[in-house]
Amino acid sequence: ETGVTQTPRHLVMGMTNKKSLKCEQHLGHNAMYWYKQSAKKPLELMFVYNFKEQTENNSVPSRFSPECPNSSHLFLHLHTLQPEDSALYLCASSFTSDSYNEQFFGPGTRLTVL
Amino acid sequence: RKEVEQDPGPFNVPEGATVAFNCTYSNSASQSFFWYRQDCRKEPKLLMSVYSSGNEDGRFTAQLNRASQYISLLIRDSKLSDSATYLCAVNVPSGGSYIPTFGRGTSLIVHP
Repeated sequence: ETGVTQTPRHLVMGMTNKKSLKCEQHLGHNAMYWYKQSAKKPLELMFVYNFKEQTENNSVPSRFSPECPNSSHLFLHLHTLQPEDSALYLCASSFTSDSYNEQFFGPGTRLTVL
Repeated sequence: RKEVEQDPGPFNVPEGATVAFNCTYSNSASQSFFWYRQDCRKEPKLLMSVYSSGNEDGRFTAQLNRASQYISLLIRDSKLSDSATYLCAVNVPSGGSYIPTFGRGTSLIVHP
Protein backbone atom coordinates (compact mmCIF):
# COMPACT_ATOMS: atom_id res chain seq x y z
CA GLU A 1 0.00 0.00 0.00
CA THR A 2 1.33 3.44 -0.88
CA GLY A 3 3.05 5.42 1.83
CA VAL A 4 2.12 8.69 0.13
CA THR A 5 -1.20 10.30 1.00
CA GLN A 6 -2.92 13.26 -0.62
CA THR A 7 -5.85 15.41 0.42
CA PRO A 8 -8.36 16.27 -0.75
CA ARG A 9 -8.99 13.48 -3.23
CA HIS A 10 -11.45 15.61 -5.21
CA LEU A 11 -11.73 19.39 -5.43
CA VAL A 12 -14.04 21.67 -7.36
CA MET A 13 -13.20 25.34 -7.30
CA GLY A 14 -14.09 28.54 -9.05
CA MET A 15 -11.54 30.67 -10.83
CA THR A 16 -11.45 33.22 -8.01
CA ASN A 17 -11.02 30.69 -5.19
CA LYS A 18 -7.87 29.93 -3.24
CA LYS A 19 -7.27 26.35 -2.17
CA SER A 20 -4.37 24.13 -1.16
CA LEU A 21 -3.47 20.55 -1.93
CA LYS A 22 -1.62 18.55 0.69
CA CYS A 23 0.76 15.63 0.33
CA GLU A 24 2.40 13.60 3.07
CA GLN A 25 4.86 10.76 2.74
CA HIS A 26 5.61 8.17 5.40
CA LEU A 27 8.51 6.50 3.63
CA GLY A 28 11.44 8.44 5.05
CA HIS A 29 12.17 9.94 1.66
CA ASN A 30 13.95 13.24 1.07
CA ALA A 31 12.60 14.26 -2.32
CA MET A 32 9.04 15.18 -3.20
CA TYR A 33 7.43 16.07 -6.50
CA TRP A 34 4.26 17.59 -7.93
CA TYR A 35 2.95 16.33 -11.27
CA LYS A 36 -0.01 17.30 -13.41
CA GLN A 37 -1.78 14.60 -15.43
CA SER A 38 -4.31 15.73 -18.02
CA ALA A 39 -6.33 13.44 -20.24
CA LYS A 40 -4.37 12.04 -23.20
CA LYS A 41 -1.18 13.81 -22.09
CA PRO A 42 1.96 12.50 -20.40
CA LEU A 43 2.61 13.21 -16.77
CA GLU A 44 4.03 16.73 -16.52
CA LEU A 45 6.56 17.42 -13.80
CA MET A 46 5.79 20.70 -12.02
CA PHE A 47 8.08 21.02 -9.01
CA VAL A 48 10.84 19.07 -7.28
CA TYR A 49 11.97 19.48 -3.69
CA ASN A 50 15.10 17.74 -2.41
CA PHE A 51 15.81 18.01 1.32
CA LYS A 52 13.16 20.78 1.52
CA GLU A 53 14.89 22.88 -1.14
CA GLN A 54 13.17 23.50 -4.44
CA THR A 55 15.43 22.14 -7.14
CA GLU A 56 13.11 22.31 -10.10
CA ASN A 57 10.34 24.58 -11.30
CA ASN A 58 9.28 23.34 -14.68
CA SER A 59 8.03 26.69 -16.02
CA VAL A 60 4.88 26.47 -13.97
CA PRO A 61 2.57 29.54 -13.90
CA SER A 62 2.70 31.55 -10.70
CA ARG A 63 -0.93 30.71 -9.90
CA PHE A 64 0.56 27.44 -8.61
CA SER A 65 2.71 27.97 -5.53
CA PRO A 66 4.46 25.05 -3.82
CA GLU A 67 5.51 24.85 -0.20
CA CYS A 68 7.68 22.22 1.46
CA PRO A 69 7.96 22.82 5.22
CA ASN A 70 9.82 19.54 5.82
CA SER A 71 10.82 16.42 3.94
CA SER A 72 7.53 14.68 4.75
CA HIS A 73 5.06 17.34 3.69
CA LEU A 74 4.39 19.14 0.45
CA PHE A 75 1.68 21.62 -0.40
CA LEU A 76 0.45 23.13 -3.64
CA HIS A 77 -1.33 26.45 -3.14
CA LEU A 78 -3.77 27.35 -5.89
CA HIS A 79 -5.22 30.74 -6.75
CA THR A 80 -7.00 32.29 -9.74
CA LEU A 81 -6.84 29.04 -11.68
CA GLN A 82 -8.16 28.58 -15.20
CA PRO A 83 -10.47 25.83 -16.50
CA GLU A 84 -7.53 24.32 -18.40
CA ASP A 85 -5.88 23.67 -15.04
CA SER A 86 -8.45 20.95 -14.40
CA ALA A 87 -6.48 17.72 -14.12
CA LEU A 88 -5.24 15.03 -11.76
CA TYR A 89 -2.49 16.39 -9.53
CA LEU A 90 -0.14 13.72 -8.31
CA CYS A 91 2.41 13.94 -5.57
CA ALA A 92 5.37 11.57 -5.51
CA SER A 93 8.39 10.96 -3.32
CA SER A 94 11.73 9.24 -3.70
CA PHE A 95 14.75 8.64 -1.51
CA THR A 96 16.51 11.60 -3.09
CA SER A 97 16.17 13.38 -6.42
CA ASP A 98 19.33 11.71 -7.70
CA SER A 99 18.79 9.98 -10.96
CA TYR A 100 18.65 6.41 -9.73
CA ASN A 101 15.65 6.48 -7.46
CA GLU A 102 12.21 5.26 -8.39
CA GLN A 103 9.23 7.31 -7.30
CA PHE A 104 6.25 6.42 -5.18
CA PHE A 105 3.03 8.21 -6.04
CA GLY A 106 0.10 9.32 -3.96
CA PRO A 107 -3.48 8.67 -5.12
CA GLY A 108 -3.82 12.17 -6.55
CA THR A 109 -6.24 15.06 -6.24
CA ARG A 110 -8.73 15.33 -9.07
CA LEU A 111 -9.21 19.07 -9.58
CA THR A 112 -12.02 20.69 -11.53
CA VAL A 113 -11.90 24.44 -12.14
CA LEU A 114 -15.22 25.97 -13.11
CA ARG B 1 10.65 15.39 -31.15
CA LYS B 2 9.26 14.48 -27.75
CA GLU B 3 11.78 13.48 -25.08
CA VAL B 4 10.08 10.16 -24.34
CA GLU B 5 7.71 8.52 -26.81
CA GLN B 6 5.41 5.55 -26.53
CA ASP B 7 2.80 4.07 -28.83
CA PRO B 8 -0.47 4.90 -27.00
CA GLY B 9 -2.18 1.75 -28.31
CA PRO B 10 -4.51 0.33 -27.23
CA PHE B 11 -2.99 -3.10 -27.54
CA ASN B 12 -5.89 -5.53 -27.48
CA VAL B 13 -4.71 -9.10 -26.84
CA PRO B 14 -6.27 -12.40 -25.71
CA GLU B 15 -5.39 -14.02 -22.41
CA GLY B 16 -2.19 -16.00 -22.65
CA ALA B 17 -0.70 -13.84 -25.39
CA THR B 18 2.75 -12.32 -25.31
CA VAL B 19 2.86 -8.57 -25.84
CA ALA B 20 5.75 -6.13 -26.08
CA PHE B 21 5.91 -2.38 -25.69
CA ASN B 22 8.70 -0.05 -26.70
CA CYS B 23 9.60 3.38 -25.44
CA THR B 24 12.11 5.63 -27.16
CA TYR B 25 14.02 8.51 -25.62
CA SER B 26 15.79 11.34 -27.39
CA ASN B 27 18.58 12.32 -24.99
CA SER B 28 21.46 9.85 -25.14
CA ALA B 29 22.75 11.05 -21.75
CA SER B 30 19.57 9.89 -20.00
CA GLN B 31 20.05 7.84 -16.86
CA SER B 32 17.74 5.46 -15.07
CA PHE B 33 14.78 3.90 -16.78
CA PHE B 34 11.58 2.58 -15.29
CA TRP B 35 8.28 1.02 -16.22
CA TYR B 36 5.22 2.05 -14.21
CA ARG B 37 1.73 0.63 -14.34
CA GLN B 38 -1.30 2.89 -14.00
CA ASP B 39 -4.81 1.53 -13.56
CA CYS B 40 -7.81 3.62 -14.55
CA ARG B 41 -8.25 6.59 -12.21
CA LYS B 42 -5.39 5.43 -9.99
CA GLU B 43 -1.83 6.57 -9.44
CA PRO B 44 1.17 5.10 -11.29
CA LYS B 45 2.95 2.30 -9.46
CA LEU B 46 6.45 1.10 -10.16
CA LEU B 47 6.49 -2.13 -12.14
CA MET B 48 10.19 -2.53 -12.85
CA SER B 49 13.44 -0.67 -13.05
CA VAL B 50 15.27 -1.28 -16.32
CA TYR B 51 18.94 -2.19 -16.33
CA SER B 52 21.43 -2.42 -19.17
CA SER B 53 21.75 -6.15 -18.61
CA GLY B 54 17.98 -6.59 -18.79
CA ASN B 55 15.89 -7.84 -15.93
CA GLU B 56 13.05 -10.26 -15.44
CA ASP B 57 10.34 -10.47 -12.82
CA GLY B 58 8.06 -13.44 -13.35
CA ARG B 59 6.15 -12.88 -16.59
CA PHE B 60 7.67 -9.45 -17.13
CA THR B 61 10.99 -8.73 -18.84
CA ALA B 62 12.49 -5.29 -19.33
CA GLN B 63 15.35 -4.43 -21.65
CA LEU B 64 17.40 -1.33 -22.31
CA ASN B 65 19.04 -0.67 -25.67
CA ARG B 66 21.29 2.35 -25.25
CA ALA B 67 22.60 2.27 -28.81
CA SER B 68 19.11 2.63 -30.25
CA GLN B 69 17.81 4.63 -27.27
CA TYR B 70 14.81 2.58 -26.34
CA ILE B 71 13.52 0.46 -23.53
CA SER B 72 11.11 -2.41 -23.88
CA LEU B 73 8.68 -4.33 -21.72
CA LEU B 74 7.66 -7.88 -22.56
CA ILE B 75 4.67 -9.49 -20.88
CA ARG B 76 4.28 -13.23 -21.31
CA ASP B 77 1.13 -15.27 -20.68
CA SER B 78 -1.05 -12.16 -20.35
CA LYS B 79 -3.71 -12.15 -17.64
CA LEU B 80 -6.94 -10.17 -17.54
CA SER B 81 -5.48 -8.32 -14.56
CA ASP B 82 -2.62 -7.03 -16.71
CA SER B 83 -5.07 -4.62 -18.38
CA ALA B 84 -3.76 -1.14 -17.55
CA THR B 85 -1.70 1.70 -18.95
CA TYR B 86 2.06 1.17 -18.91
CA LEU B 87 4.20 4.28 -18.54
CA CYS B 88 7.87 4.44 -19.26
CA ALA B 89 9.96 6.93 -17.31
CA VAL B 90 13.42 8.21 -18.14
CA ASN B 91 15.61 10.50 -16.05
CA VAL B 92 16.71 13.16 -18.52
CA PRO B 93 19.68 15.42 -17.73
CA SER B 94 18.83 19.05 -17.22
CA GLY B 95 21.06 21.77 -15.80
CA GLY B 96 23.24 19.53 -13.70
CA SER B 97 20.43 17.37 -12.37
CA TYR B 98 18.02 14.82 -13.79
CA ILE B 99 14.37 15.35 -14.55
CA PRO B 100 12.01 12.38 -14.42
CA THR B 101 10.22 12.40 -17.78
CA PHE B 102 7.31 10.15 -18.60
CA GLY B 103 5.89 8.86 -21.83
CA ARG B 104 2.17 9.26 -22.44
CA GLY B 105 1.62 5.58 -21.70
CA THR B 106 0.60 2.50 -23.65
CA SER B 107 -2.84 1.08 -23.01
CA LEU B 108 -3.15 -2.71 -22.75
CA ILE B 109 -6.46 -4.53 -22.84
CA VAL B 110 -6.39 -8.27 -22.20
CA HIS B 111 -9.64 -10.00 -23.14
CA PRO B 112 -10.91 -13.53 -22.41
